[in-house]
Amino acid sequence: GQQLNQSPQSMFIQEGEDVSMNCTSSSIFNTWLWYKQDPGEGPVLLIALYKAGELTSNGRLTAQFGITRKDSFLNISASIPSDVGIYFCAGQMNSGYSTLTFGKGTMLLVSP
Amino acid sequence: GAGVSQSPSNKVTEKGKDVELRCDPISGHTALYWYRQSLGQGLEFLIYFQGNSAPDKSGLPSDRFSAERTGGSVSTLTIQRTQQEDSAVYLCASSLATLGPQHFGDGTRLSIL
Repeated sequence: GQQLNQSPQSMFIQEGEDVSMNCTSSSIFNTWLWYKQDPGEGPVLLIALYKAGELTSNGRLTAQFGITRKDSFLNISASIPSDVGIYFCAGQMNSGYSTLTFGKGTMLLVSP
Repeated sequence: GAGVSQSPSNKVTEKGKDVELRCDPISGHTALYWYRQSLGQGLEFLIYFQGNSAPDKSGLPSDRFSAERTGGSVSTLTIQRTQQEDSAVYLCASSLATLGPQHFGDGTRLSIL
């Protein structure tokens, strides 16, 4: 089945720093999604990408859909303590219907 | 609220018991998904419902796992004869259409003693 490789597994940064994380796949996806999960809660959708090469921003977050459709990255600028959490990428095939294939997540810790 | 609602939020049970987990999707969402999240892992797809179509059960790990969706709304995930390896967070998500972004509930944390 499809597998997503998400990196890094964890990051520990200072408040104000920029952050970058990415996902790569052995398969082509037609939709890439980025979620954030806080402890004890379900994942919350941050950004959805539907077109190869697309670059989309949501506040301090920017995500891009790789041109090969096999990768995506998420950047967070000027990090703040509330950015702490686990960030997941997810890919969707869009073949009629499809479920999401998730990466294993990037745990982000931000030091004030 | 307007989000996906799951109950119970926590469930502790003895090995060998059956458990039922409930999901109330967002009103009007036709697609409903169940995932399992083990400690430190990503989300593992279990089962998918879309309208009146036959569910996609391809992710269910064993025949001890089953799910129903009554009236196209509420769904119940049942695990029979629970094992310790069933301990995980079980997450439900719904989407407006098959390809729409999925919105998650807060999950049920299941612990098997």
